[in-house]
Amino acid sequence: EAGVTQFPSHSVIEKGQTVTLRCDPISGHDNLYWYRRVMGKEIKFLLHFVKESKQDESGMPNNRFLAERTGGTYSTLKVQPAELEDSGVYFCASSPLGTGGSYEQYFGPGTRLTVT
Amino acid sequence: AQSVSQHNHHVILSEAASLELGCNYSYGGTVNLFWYVQYPGQHLQLLLKYFSGDPLVKGIKGFEAEFIKSKFSFNLRKPSVQWSDTAEYFCAALPQTGNQFYFGTGTSLTVIP
Repeated sequence: EAGVTQFPSHSVIEKGQTVTLRCDPISGHDNLYWYRRVMGKEIKFLLHFVKESKQDESGMPNNRFLAERTGGTYSTLKVQPAELEDSGVYFCASSPLGTGGSYEQYFGPGTRLTVT
Repeated sequence: AQSVSQHNHHVILSEAASLELGCNYSYGGTVNLFWYVQYPGQHLQLLLKYFSGDPLVKGIKGFEAEFIKSKFSFNLRKPSVQWSDTAEYFCAALPQTGNQFYFGTGTSLTVIP
């Protein structure tokens, strides 16, 4: 079974540019999550999709971040325009549909974003 | 507010030494608890998890953790570490009625051969 995949693995962009991160969850997993780890800090929740619907986006930092999951399969996270403080590692995770806390989440390798 | 605290940021041990990494959580309801590990260049992997039942849970690679409800703790242990245990370790709490993980800041473990 293929795991969660993320693309790209690294991205270096200049302040003001746009970047789009992609996540492909495990096949059949309706729950999809985005998290971010800023250097030296904890991994923080950004948002949660159930299929194509945003279930919880309380962790999104501001309106420069836009997440989509058209068709309920892969998801994209766009940062536009990027700022220096957006640098960090962006993780995607997925889990089967069910009672929220009943399942572990399976994490992707992360995308390391550096904004210069 | 929900939070998870990991007390050790960097730990350096010699091979065969015993390991204990502290984790405390703050949450008003029932949580499921996890330890994830990230080996260099790899993705986060589940080491072990506690949902209910026996508070002493065993995970992969000889790791175990004990849930102590009265102390809001879920410390990770291993009796004898190996060089291959060098990695970053994350404690996480997942509320039973919620969907988002609350992670600690992580502990970087270096095992010296």
